[in-house]
Amino acid sequence: KNEVEQSPQNLTAQEGEFITINCSYSVGISALHWLQQHPGGGIVSLFMLSSGKKKHGRLIATINIQEKHSSLHITASHPRDSAVYICAVKGDTGTASKLTFGTGTRLQVTL
Amino acid sequence: GAVVSQHPSRVICKSGTSVKIECRSLDFQATTMFWYRQFPKKSLMLMATSNEGSKATYEQGVEKDKFLINHASLTLSTLTVTSAHPEDSSFYICSAPRMGLSNYEQYFGPGTRLTVT
Repeated sequence: KNEVEQSPQNLTAQEGEFITINCSYSVGISALHWLQQHPGGGIVSLFMLSSGKKKHGRLIATINIQEKHSSLHITASHPRDSAVYICAVKGDTGTASKLTFGTGTRLQVTL
Repeated sequence: GAVVSQHPSRVICKSGTSVKIECRSLDFQATTMFWYRQFPKKSLMLMATSNEGSKATYEQGVEKDKFLINHASLTLSTLTVTSAHPEDSSFYICSAPRMGLSNYEQYFGPGTRLTVT
């Protein structure tokens, strides 16, 4: 069993739909990242959070430390949101602490 | 914001040759950088942790003589794929941590696509 599990693995939505991607992890963490990878390959860090909720534009990320669960929400989805979304967790707060990645959720938003 | 660059973005090389990939933190110093490999439609796989001024730490199963890592300065780490073979063809990504308010946030490079013919 992976330490970081994401669901769904693949998601197709119509433009305008509200999207939720889930991430569950089984280890203690100091922070959780949500990453976005477009077909070109480059990775952008969307959020880093250790508690509560963060919002940036149409994106919202929440985390429940007790339940070891995080969600990424996209409101009013748009075709340009089509990408792979990756959840990654960080153990301790040190600089050398590496990330453990989920397998990613491939999102396709259609017109 | 913090930016991490990689060079080259794409490289095609012949089997048996060596290829060097550079990872630079452009506006911050990084004593640690990470190198990842990504296979098509798969998630990132950590290869090694690059440490400025000391030896890299390799993940289990990664050949250190095959993938040479040098962290020569606080802003530059290099990954050299030696005696490349077609199975080394992959997407290689680096990241560098930068301290945020309470934790280190990872900044990723744009990646290097290596094709070995």
